[in-house]
Amino acid sequence: DTAVSQTPKYLVTQMGNDKSIKCEQNLGHDTMYWYKQDSKKFLKIMFSYNNKELIINETVPNRFSPKSPDKAHLNLHINSLELGDSAVYFCASSQQDGGAYNEQFFGPGTRLTVL
Amino acid sequence: KQEVTQIPAALSVPEGENLVLNCSFTDSAIYNLQWFRQDPGKGLTSLLLIQSSQREQTSGRLNASLDKSSGRSTLYIAASQPGDSATYLCAVRRGYNTDKLIFGTGTRLQVFP
Repeated sequence: DTAVSQTPKYLVTQMGNDKSIKCEQNLGHDTMYWYKQDSKKFLKIMFSYNNKELIINETVPNRFSPKSPDKAHLNLHINSLELGDSAVYFCASSQQDGGAYNEQFFGPGTRLTVL
Repeated sequence: KQEVTQIPAALSVPEGENLVLNCSFTDSAIYNLQWFRQDPGKGLTSLLLIQSSQREQTSGRLNASLDKSSGRSTLYIAASQPGDSATYLCAVRRGYNTDKLIFGTGTRLQVFP
């Protein structure tokens, strides 16, 4: 009965590689997000999608490309990985009730290590 | 630019104590504020969400208050237990037409038996 799930949980890869992280939510929410938590544990939003449409795109390098095949999935593809991309990436989802109560639910995170 | 700060950064207390975690934000024009806990190696669990029009929310031993005008929120944990040990994060939502959350720096809590 997992609400927001991410795969893989851990990802270790070499610099320059391309990798993807997958996220799925079974809460019926219409909005999904990607957050990055750096080594200092600071959490910052990267993207959000509402009904498969990009809503928020923070100043993230264009090597990061989110893809939403349907409103239950939001995948994150990263090209040409760099050392600074090492972090924990969290997926989240919420339901936009006309801007009302929209508690965000988070996945368990994917720890990415770039060597 | 909204900045969210949490004090203290770390806290270690014996079991049974009542404790207060603080969250400050620089721009009082927020839509709501959410408290989360994060366990090591795990995701975030939402604890409480307070709308900007509310003063407090309660869930079990947790009570969160909001003073929007002064840019502050507190999370009160009654009768702390070792299972409360985690990092606590507050996050503010800027406005009605955005669902972007701006997170605080976190308070790492350890409750020892």
